[in-house]
Amino acid sequence: QSVLTQPPSVSGAPGQRVTISCTGSSSNIGAGYDVHWYQQLPGTAPKLLIYDTINRPSGVPDRFSGSKSGTSASLAITGLQAEDEADYYCQSYDSSLRGVFGTGTKVTVL
Amino acid sequence: EVQLVQSGAEVKKPGESLKISCKGAGYSFTSYWIGWVRQMPGKGLEWMGIIYPSDSDTRYSPSFQGQVTISADKSISTAYLQWSSLKASDTAMYYCARPQAGVTSSFDYWGQGTLVTVSS
Repeated sequence: QSVLTQPPSVSGAPGQRVTISCTGSSSNIGAGYDVHWYQQLPGTAPKLLIYDTINRPSGVPDRFSGSKSGTSASLAITGLQAEDEADYYCQSYDSSLRGVFGTGTKVTVL
Repeated sequence: EVQLVQSGAEVKKPGESLKISCKGAGYSFTSYWIGWVRQMPGKGLEWMGIIYPSDSDTRYSPSFQGQVTISADKSISTAYLQWSSLKASDTAMYYCARPQAGVTSSFDYWGQGTLVTVSS
């Protein structure tokens, strides 16, 4: 089964920029499938943060941005705020059109 | 307003069967896929499978194929996730979620989650 690998944790001081990588393979991200990103606050359902690799849903601050290159994607958070402390997951699909989530990254605001 | 409302928490014993539900409201239920996502305690999200209620086209992750059954009743706008014989390792939070458009699009709406606890 496809696996998307993320760093277990990233941290930064308020106002700083942090990035979260999502490394896939030629059968998912590298095959051209879009990447989506979700934010999950403790005890709540995930919330869509970025869709189709680079797009923000209405209401998501422009501090969040997504990108993709080759078999990897990234989520950047600029101007880190205390409220951004959460778990973040990437998601894509493989050539059999089965979905796969990333391993998840905990963002800590120092 | 689009809503996905899931059934309540369940406590079951190993070997028992279970069917949890996800009722869609505020949109055309048969026009969108519905997916299921598992989150074991303290762990990450896992894509389990997805169903298109209009024709019951269903796709499973290899990890869940044969372990669960996904179904839908379009007459009552409800999707289901069921087990025939639960194991302790099925203890988890289960979310249903609706993709924005096609099967590979993002999950833009999520249910509140159903906590399943399997313990003897």
